Amino acid sequence: AQKVTQAQTEISVVEKEDVTLDCVYETRDTTYYLFWYKQPPSGELVFLIRRNSFDEQNEINGRYSWNFQKSTSSFNFTITASQVVDSAVYFCALSEAGNYGGSQGNLIFGKGTKLSVKP
Amino acid sequence: GAGVSQSPRYKVAKRGQDVALRCDPISGHVSLFWYQQALGQGPEFLTYFQNEAQLDKSGLPSDRFFAERPEGSVSTLKIQRTQQEDSAVYLCASRAERSSYNEQFFGPGTRLTVL
Repeated sequence: AQKVTQAQTEISVVEKEDVTLDCVYETRDTTYYLFWYKQPPSGELVFLIRRNSFDEQNEINGRYSWNFQKSTSSFNFTITASQVVDSAVYFCALSEAGNYGGSQGNLIFGKGTKLSVKP
Repeated sequence: GAGVSQSPRYKVAKRGQDVALRCDPISGHVSLFWYQQALGQGPEFLTYFQNEAQLDKSGLPSDRFFAERPEGSVSTLKIQRTQQEDSAVYLCASRAERSSYNEQFFGPGTRLTVL
């Protein structure tokens, strides 16, 4: 069965601190996709990143970076020099990979980590 | 419109009432998903459409939940005889036919409160 675990329910940091959000996943699939979404208080899910299971390169996008380690089934997300605008709930998600002409690919979400960045 | 839209954004229903939640996907998107997000939880899959065909309804929590997409574009999620445990945000997502990486675009959601 597929499962995503985000063990950190809430994290509170002071502005400019670095913060890492943990994500551990379980799947029997050999190929799959991993995602991070941000959900601000307005409620809309904002896509941040996706990774293929066969691409373990870490990625950096401005203050955001992602560390994918297949050996530990983890896909952690780090925000460098956090800002108040980063305050939101962050979700890690997993889906099967494949040809979307035939595959379904519903997302399996973790329970989310609520990040509060205080000025 | 450019994105996925949902209406109403907020719905308050008395226990036992029927409700209908609407999703307008991105024009031309073949796949459409409904998810339910309870307070403090992550979204959970409800049902999946490919064009007008409902290919998976395994996530619907009871037979009071019904979804349709008759013309392969707009979808409606209907909940009959609402119960308090139905209170949640209902999210709709759409995906293009040849999407790589399973790129799903989410709407803003409908927050349902059952009193």
